[in-house]
Amino acid sequence: QVQLVQSGAEMKKPGSSVKVSCKASGGSISSNAISWVRRAPGQGLDWMGGVVPIYGTPNYAPKFRGRLTITTDESTNSAFMELSSLTSEDTAVYYCARGRQLVVEDACDVWGQGTLVTVSS
Amino acid sequence: DIVMTQSPDSLAVSLGETATINCKSSQSVLYRSNNKNYINWYQQKPGQPPRLLISWASTRESGVPDRFSGSGSGTDFTLTISSLQAEDVAVYYCQQYYNTPLSFGGGTKVEIK
Repeated sequence: QVQLVQSGAEMKKPGSSVKVSCKASGGSISSNAISWVRRAPGQGLDWMGGVVPIYGTPNYAPKFRGRLTITTDESTNSAFMELSSLTSEDTAVYYCARGRQLVVEDACDVWGQGTLVTVSS
Repeated sequence: DIVMTQSPDSLAVSLGETATINCKSSQSVLYRSNNKNYINWYQQKPGQPPRLLISWASTRESGVPDRFSGSGSGTDFTLTISSLQAEDVAVYYCQQYYNTPLSFGGGTKVEIK
């Protein structure tokens, strides 16, 4: 059974960037699509973007385009989410999630445990 | 972009009673070519990641109790929790995966009355 393990909590200053990792165990990161979803305090779930590793080109939600970068690394069996130009509104728990197939437009059946990113001066 | 609207925002239901959550999409999420509705339902408990309960609007995931059921087509969908149990206290989200950007409803918090 595939598991996704994310990197630890981050404290960042406004204007800086954060990079969160998501390592797959029990299977290949390249076998399925990977999405990134966040949940800000008191808010609902927000899909940020996704990628099918074997195809390479990520698909970003318009609100994050320009400051979000999603990548994968087969050598470490990991996916990464980097968000730049952080503001306090980016304070949230960030999740990676695996789609069931090789398309981003799919349900996510395996989720990482979440990474809290706090943006504060 | 497809906007997903859930109602109510929260509801309190007695143990053993039925909880009904509604979800409406701003455009149809039914693909005519395969007659499938591209709707997921997720459950999220405090401190945990979301859990996929139902895909294709009505197909329960393996291991999900049969008291959870999904219905609807086109733009209007419902998640029904029959015989509510204490462990069902959570926030429930619908999501469309008809096209990108994928989008979630605002969530419905289910509590015990």
